Amino acid sequence: QVQLQESGPGLVKPSETLALTCTVSGGSISSNYWSWIRQTPGKGLEWIGYIYFSGRTDYNPTLKSRVTISLDTSNNQFSLKLSSVTAADTAVYYCVRHGEGSSVFFFESWGQGTLVTVSS
Amino acid sequence: DIQLTQSPPSLSASVGDRVTITCRASQGISSYLAWYQQTPGKIPKLLIYAASTLQSGVPSRFSGSGSGTDFTLTISSLQPEDVATYYCQSYNSAPLFTFGPGTKVDIK
Repeated sequence: QVQLQESGPGLVKPSETLALTCTVSGGSISSNYWSWIRQTPGKGLEWIGYIYFSGRTDYNPTLKSRVTISLDTSNNQFSLKLSSVTAADTAVYYCVRHGEGSSVFFFESWGQGTLVTVSS
Repeated sequence: DIQLTQSPPSLSASVGDRVTITCRASQGISSYLAWYQQTPGKIPKLLIYAASTLQSGVPSRFSGSGSGTDFTLTISSLQPEDVATYYCQSYNSAPLFTFGPGTKVDIK
C-alpha cells in the first residue's frame, strides 16, 4: 500500500516561495501520475498540477505562472514550488497519487496534508 | 472552464435512509467523474470513479450513476460512519481536474 507524506514549512511570508516535498513509500515514484491538491474553507478542493514519472507536467491555468512541480526519483519524492504567495494561498496542501488504468483520471491515494499559512 | 455544482449543499437523514446527492457539470464530461468522502478531520477518500465503478474496499451501499452532465451518488442505507462531506470531481479540459463544492451529510 503506497503511502505519501508531505513536508515543508508551515509558515511562509507573503511574496516568498512556498516549497513542499512529498515522500512516497511502499511503491516507486517511477510510474504513475502524481498531483498536488490544496483545500481551503472558502474555495474547497483545488487541483494545482501533476507530474508524470516521465517528467511531463500540467498545471491549473489559474496558478500556472507561479507553479513548478518536479520529480526526484533517487529519493522517491516529488516537490511543489509556488512563488509570490499571498494570504489567498493559505491552505492545506495534499500530495496525491492517481489511480491506474481506468482510474488514472482520479485521485486514489492521499497524503495526510500539511497546513501552510501565508503571513508576515 | 468547467464548473461542477452539487445539490443539496447539505442534508440531514436518519440511519437507514436512502440518500441521493447530485453533481451537475457545466459541459459534457462523458463518464469522467469521481466521488470522494471526507469525514471530519480526515483526508478525502475515493469512493467511486468513472461515474459508477466502486473503488476497492468501499461498502456496496455506495453507488454512482450518470454520464454527460448529470451524475448521482446514492447511499442505499445511511450509516453513522457515513457522516461526511461528499465531493464530485471531473476530468476534462483546462483545468484538467475540477472539484464540486461538496455536500455535507449529517444524521438526523
